[in-house]
Amino acid sequence: DAGVTQSPTHLIKTRGQHVTLRCSPISGHKSVSWYQQVLGQGPQFIFQYYEKEERGRGNFPDRFSARQFPNYSSELNVNALLLGDSALYLCASSLKDRGLGGYTFGSGTRLTVV
Amino acid sequence: GENVEQHPSTLSVQEGDSAVIKCTYSDSASNYFPWYKQELGKGPQLIIDIRSNVGEKKDQRIAVTLNKTAKHFSLHITETQPEDSAVYFCASLSNSGYALNFGKGTSLLVTP
Repeated sequence: DAGVTQSPTHLIKTRGQHVTLRCSPISGHKSVSWYQQVLGQGPQFIFQYYEKEERGRGNFPDRFSARQFPNYSSELNVNALLLGDSALYLCASSLKDRGLGGYTFGSGTRLTVV
Repeated sequence: GENVEQHPSTLSVQEGDSAVIKCTYSDSASNYFPWYKQELGKGPQLIIDIRSNVGEKKDQRIAVTLNKTAKHFSLHITETQPEDSAVYFCASLSNSGYALNFGKGTSLLVTP
């Protein structure tokens, strides 16, 4: 079975540009979460979606937005990129709404803002 | 918000020795505590988890203990092997049940 798949794997953008990152959850998983991992730190929660509804949002500016599609895949959008947005963006899927079922992470998208 | 402290930040052991990583959390309402292993260039991989109604859980060479009163939990790896070398993260599930709060990670190096 395929795990959580993310695309692209690597991306280089210029300050001020916009970026869209994509995630496909494990088959049957209806919950998708997004995390930002800066080098040398633990992942930081950005969003969680379940059944296409936003269920949770972390402490990130409005430049960050996301959505979930009917097939449960998800997109993370970041506008007006800053150098500090350079990080590994991780998607995690879960079978259940709340995370007691455990989260499975993808390998991430490495975003570099120059 | 929830704060998870993790120690040590780096740990070097010889093959066959045990490794212990400790975490503390601040939100007494947290009820789920997973541990993740992250290898270079990969996403975090769940290796073991524990819920608040259990004090200890073991899976082969890996065990986790939880002390809810003291709000700390620990990862124990016995008979370490070179392939155990990676960055390990502890986490707690927020009161809302939606967000995992991660520690800053422990870089474990197992030398042959």
